[in-house]
Amino acid sequence: KNEVEQSPQNLTAQEGEFITINCSYSVGISALHWLQQHPGGGIVSLFMLSSGKKKHGRLIATINIQEKHSSLHITASHPRDSAVYICAVKGGGGSNYKLTFGKGTLLTVNP
Amino acid sequence: EAGVTQSPTHLIKTRGQQATLRCSPISGHTSVYWYQQALGLGLQFLLWYDEGEERNRGNFPPRFSGRQFPNYSSELNVNALELEDSALYLCASSLNKNTEAFFGQGTRLTVV
Repeated sequence: KNEVEQSPQNLTAQEGEFITINCSYSVGISALHWLQQHPGGGIVSLFMLSSGKKKHGRLIATINIQEKHSSLHITASHPRDSAVYICAVKGGGGSNYKLTFGKGTLLTVNP
Repeated sequence: EAGVTQSPTHLIKTRGQQATLRCSPISGHTSVYWYQQALGLGLQFLLWYDEGEERNRGNFPPRFSGRQFPNYSSELNVNALELEDSALYLCASSLNKNTEAFFGQGTRLTVV
């Protein structure tokens, strides 16, 4: 079983829809990242959070440490949001130097 | 302010050759991380450099090595290239291991 599980693997939405991507992890962590990867490969860091909730524009990320679960929400989705969204956790203790990644969620937003 | 920059963007090598990939971190960042994203696989941790020293490495053979220079830029070297080394190699930097990492655009290495 992977340490970081994302769902769904693929998600297709119509422009304007509210999107939720989920991430569950099985290890103790010091922080969780949400990343965005467009075709071509470059990765953009969207959020780093260790508790609560963060908002940036139309993006909202939440984390529940007790339940080892995080969600990324996109409000009023737009075709330009189409990308792979990756959840990554930074381990606790001696593993807090590296990120462990989920396999990503491919989001396609149709006009 | 410039982000993390990687060069080259694309690299084609033949099996058995050596590849050198370069990464310039964000100014002021001393930690540099290398990750491999092979086709169909998730991102895998390769190497971590901090303050000029290799601090940790992932589960990769010794053919994968690198270094960090006094200006904190970094090189990743892959010797005796194999076909399965074809992947996107991403570099990230952070102020230190406890702070947010920022990624470069990657180098796509193709081994033929």
